[in-house]
Amino acid sequence: QQQVKQSPQSLIVQKGGISIINCAYENTAFDYFPWYQQFPGKGPALLIAIRPDVSEKKEGRFTISFNKSAKQFSLHIMDSQPGDSATYFCAASPSGSARQLTFGSGTQLTVLP
Amino acid sequence: GAVVSQHPSRVICKSGTSVKIECRSLDFQATTMFWYRQFPKKSLMLMATSNEGSKATYEQGVEKDKFLINHASLTLSTLTVTSAHPEDSSFYICSAARDEQYFGPGTRLTVT
Repeated sequence: QQQVKQSPQSLIVQKGGISIINCAYENTAFDYFPWYQQFPGKGPALLIAIRPDVSEKKEGRFTISFNKSAKQFSLHIMDSQPGDSATYFCAASPSGSARQLTFGSGTQLTVLP
Repeated sequence: GAVVSQHPSRVICKSGTSVKIECRSLDFQATTMFWYRQFPKKSLMLMATSNEGSKATYEQGVEKDKFLINHASLTLSTLTVTSAHPEDSSFYICSAARDEQYFGPGTRLTVT
C-alpha cells in the first residue's frame, strides 16, 4: 500500500514534443505529490509539487495533473528540450509534509535534438 | 532557496575501513534529515531518518551498527559506513526537511 508505481521506465521524445510520465498510488493517506529531476551523479531536485485540493498545477513548461478518484498523477513537460534529459521521480507523502516520501521507480527521459 | 551540501562528493576506501559522509543544511535549520542509498538506474531507497539530538530511525533491513548516523546539530548529520565492503559501494544522498525535502548532491562511495 506504500508503493508508488511509475511508468514508463524510459521515454524518448523529440525536441519540442510533450513528455508524459505517469504515477499511481494506493495509500489514500498520501496528500502531497512532488516530482524530482535528477541528473547523472547529482542529487534529486524538486521540480514541481501538488496537493490534492487542485487537479492541475503549472509552472513554466511543467504541469502536474492530479486525479484523486483514480489515485493517479502525471507530469507533462511541454516543448521538451535536450536539457530536460534526466531521470524523473514521482513521490508521495502523507499528512501534507515532505517528511516521509515514497518514491516511484523513476523514468529516464531522453530528448533528442 | 534551501541548500544542502554533502562532503565528500566522492570517496574511495579500502575494504575494512570506515568512511564518514557529512550532510549540512547551509541556510536553514533542519530538525530532520534523511539518508538515502541509490543504486545505478534505480530509485532512492530510504536508509534512515535522523532527528537532531536523538537516535536515528532505521528502515527495515538497514544495519544500524554498520551505518552509524549522528545528528549533533540542526545543520549537520553524518553517516559513517563502518567496516566497509565492496557491496557498500553506492551513491549516498542526504536530504534536510523544512517545508520540503531538500536533497544534497550525493556522495559516490567506492570500496575496493
